[in-house]
This record gives sequence, structure tokens and C-alpha cells, in this order.
Amino acid sequence: QQQVKQSPQSLIVQKGGISIINCAYENTAFDYFPWYQQFPGKGPALLIAIRPDVSEKKEGRFTISFNKSAKQFSLHIMDSQPGDSATYFCAASVNTGNQFYFGTGTSLTVIP
Amino acid sequence: KAGVTQTPRYLIKTRGQQVTLSCSPISGHRSVSWYQQTPGQGLQFLFEYFSETQRNKGNFPGRFSGRQFSNSRSEMNVSTLELGDSALYLCASSPGVAYSSTDTQYFGPGTRLTVL
Repeated sequence: QQQVKQSPQSLIVQKGGISIINCAYENTAFDYFPWYQQFPGKGPALLIAIRPDVSEKKEGRFTISFNKSAKQFSLHIMDSQPGDSATYFCAASVNTGNQFYFGTGTSLTVIP
Repeated sequence: KAGVTQTPRYLIKTRGQQVTLSCSPISGHRSVSWYQQTPGQGLQFLFEYFSETQRNKGNFPGRFSGRQFSNSRSEMNVSTLELGDSALYLCASSPGVAYSSTDTQYFGPGTRLTVL
């Protein structure tokens, strides 16, 4: 049973465009929502994270939007660049502990 | 600071065998978590160790086990390998002291296990 559902599975965006990846969860006990970026041959790396007490968090070109009532959150990559081509994972956890539930990943390709 | 290291990087085994994977966390980190990554299921949490004790456990059969040593290095063992165990096994380290998910987890490059 997938605790965090992620879509789309793959995404192709033109350079300079906006990439949007969506995630949904059911467990209302989740209170920490990170996004990870993974390049081929590497482990995932933390990109940005949000707590449910805010509806949006921005770091550079990356923004998380969070909708607590809908139990959904999304990653927006503005001005997408070819170097952003990677697999992106959303995740969720309860604050106490390091057990994360990951989405199935989105393969992003940014075309020059 | 050196990152998380995992050995070996690649491994080929046959069904029924057992395998041991190793993870060295970032210096000073006391928490080590293990994940299984497959194309269909994504990353799934196996277990977490902190100060040589298993602190959290995911929903995997008892064939999957782990341990942590006093220097925080961790090993994961899979016994009686099945074809479905073919996956990338990732370990992640974090300071762990706060026991908070907001501790950033740093992932290693993984061990690619193929079961024939």
C-alpha cells in the first residue's frame, strides 16, 4: 500500500518552462514533507522540505505548495534547466523518527 | 567531510544465497537507515539503527535484518535471496540525536543487488 502517491511518472519540459510534480497522502499524522532529487548512479539528495503549518516554501527556483485540507503537496521548478533532469521523489514522515514514506518518483527531462 | 559510503557497489547472487551489505555513515552521525529502491515500488523503508539499536522497522520479512556497530557503521543482511530482492539498496545517515524527521538524511550511492 503506497502511503504517498506521486504523479506524473515522467515529465518532459522545455528549457525555461515550469515543471510541476504532485503528491498526495492519506495519513494525517504526517507532518514533514521533503522532496529529494536523484541523479543516475547517485543516492537521493534533499532538495527542499515543508511542514504543514505553512502553505508554501520557496528556495531559489524550487517551490513547495502544500494543501493540508486536500492532503496534497507539489513541487514547482521554475525556469527549468537541462541540469534539473533527474528523478524527483516526494516523501512524508511523522516528526518523531526517521521513517520516511516515499512516492514512486518522477523522471524529469528538460529539453534544451 | 566524507559522504556516506556503501560497499560493495554491485553484487550478483543466486536464489537461496545470503548477502551482507555495508554502510559507513558520515562522521559523527549516529543514525543509519536502510531503504530498498525498485522501479515499481520506489524507495521503501527497511529499518533504522541508532546507537547500535534498531529504532524503527518497516514492513519487510524477517529475511531482512541489520545491525549497527559502535562506530555507527551498519550492515544489512538478506538471507535466502529471492528474485524479487533484486534492487538498489540505499543507506542514509543523519545525526539522529534529536530523533526528528527534520534531521537531514544523507544518502549513499547504493548497492545494486541482482539475484539470478
